[in-house]
Amino acid sequence: AQSVTQPDARVTVSEGASLQLRCKYSYSATPYLFWYVQYPRQGLQLLLKYYSGDPVVQGVNSFEAEFSKSNSSFHLQKASVHWSDSAVYFCALRVNTGNYKYVFGAGTRLKVIA
Amino acid sequence: EAAVTQSPRSKVAVTGGKVTLSCHQTNNHDYMYWYRQDTGHGLRLIHYSYVADSTEKGDIPDGYKASRPSQENFSLILELASLSQTAVYFCASSEGGNQAPLFGEGTRLSVL
Repeated sequence: AQSVTQPDARVTVSEGASLQLRCKYSYSATPYLFWYVQYPRQGLQLLLKYYSGDPVVQGVNSFEAEFSKSNSSFHLQKASVHWSDSAVYFCALRVNTGNYKYVFGAGTRLKVIA
Repeated sequence: EAAVTQSPRSKVAVTGGKVTLSCHQTNNHDYMYWYRQDTGHGLRLIHYSYVADSTEKGDIPDGYKASRPSQENFSLILELASLSQTAVYFCASSEGGNQAPLFGEGTRLSVL
């Protein structure tokens, strides 16, 4: 069955440090993958998406993600985090069962400290 | 501007009562989704629809009904609300295909 795993429930990094949030997926067909961010008491906002082609995709606010078919992974990265990046980040997988569903990971809560 | 609007934004319901959560999109999207969010579980799909007047069960449909009377509107109905249905509910829409879902702001439901 298809699934998305985000192994780190919480991540704390210092402002200005680099960041990697991990995402592993399980899906037998071609994966369409997404990263979303959720700020407190708000809906989810799309950061970036991967459909095909270059495995490194750029998103908003200097985020990028790297797709690896061999590792079944889609990790989110940022070179230098800011305190405003503190939020919950969700990885998602589009599943095609004849129509389209989206499966989400449990989320990673990022805290950026001074 | 593309938008998904949920109402109400928050609600307190009594156990055994009926609750209706509404969602309206102005994006001309074919697909609409209802998810619930619980701490530690991320978002789980309750019901979805890819065309008006038709709904599909998601991964956790028990205790919920859905209604899609038009392309723009998608409702989630709890006929007999229970304590375990306390959660934040998100509606989303997408064109299907290659477009990522666009989410509403969420409805915080407390069942007492």
